[in-house]
Amino acid sequence: SQKIEQNSEALNIQEGKTATLTCNYTNYSPAYLQWYRQDPGRGPVFLLLIRENEKEKRKERLKVTFDTTLKQSLFHITASQPADSATYLCALDPPSGAGSYQLTFGKGTKLSVIP
Amino acid sequence: DVKVTQSSRYLVKRTGEKVFLECVQDMDHENMFWYRQDPGLGLRLIYFSYDVKMKEKGDIPEGYSVSREKKERFSLILESASTNQTSMYLCASSLETSGSTDTQYFGPGTRLTVL
Repeated sequence: SQKIEQNSEALNIQEGKTATLTCNYTNYSPAYLQWYRQDPGRGPVFLLLIRENEKEKRKERLKVTFDTTLKQSLFHITASQPADSATYLCALDPPSGAGSYQLTFGKGTKLSVIP
Repeated sequence: DVKVTQSSRYLVKRTGEKVFLECVQDMDHENMFWYRQDPGLGLRLIYFSYDVKMKEKGDIPEGYSVSREKKERFSLILESASTNQTSMYLCASSLETSGSTDTQYFGPGTRLTVL
């Protein structure tokens, strides 16, 4: 089965800096990868999806990269703000042809942006 | 916007009670999911459903059952609640996309405590 590792459980950065979160996976390469944000006591909220044939995807201050050779995705938040403090989860789709609708989620990285 | 609602934000039950957690989505999504989330363990899939009256076991189905009588509603049932089922329960839905998994939309979660 797919194993996902998100680089650290917690990451603290100074306001205004760029936060970089890592998602590494083993086994098969997914057709696409998603990133979600989760605030305490709330359900995850979808942020970005990147496909295997896309190297990079941007949305406002967010940027995601996807390197299928390294089996890694990087999630960047530029000009970080205290409001960006949350837990960020990466999620991968199942193997092609698996006939399943499940996503495999990483355990998440808790980001704290310090004013 | 997709809206996924869960019947309760907080629930306290006694050991041995039968517990019903309800989830409703308003976007005509085919797929619905139940997860539990515990510190250090991340999101774990309990059951999912890809159509009315259809259900599939996830990674941790023991001690749970589900019901999907209508497309918009997916219920999680704890037949005889135990203290180790104290957790945050999250419902999600997604639109079926032929050949691939789609973005999941989560409800706000139910914090269940079993005493």
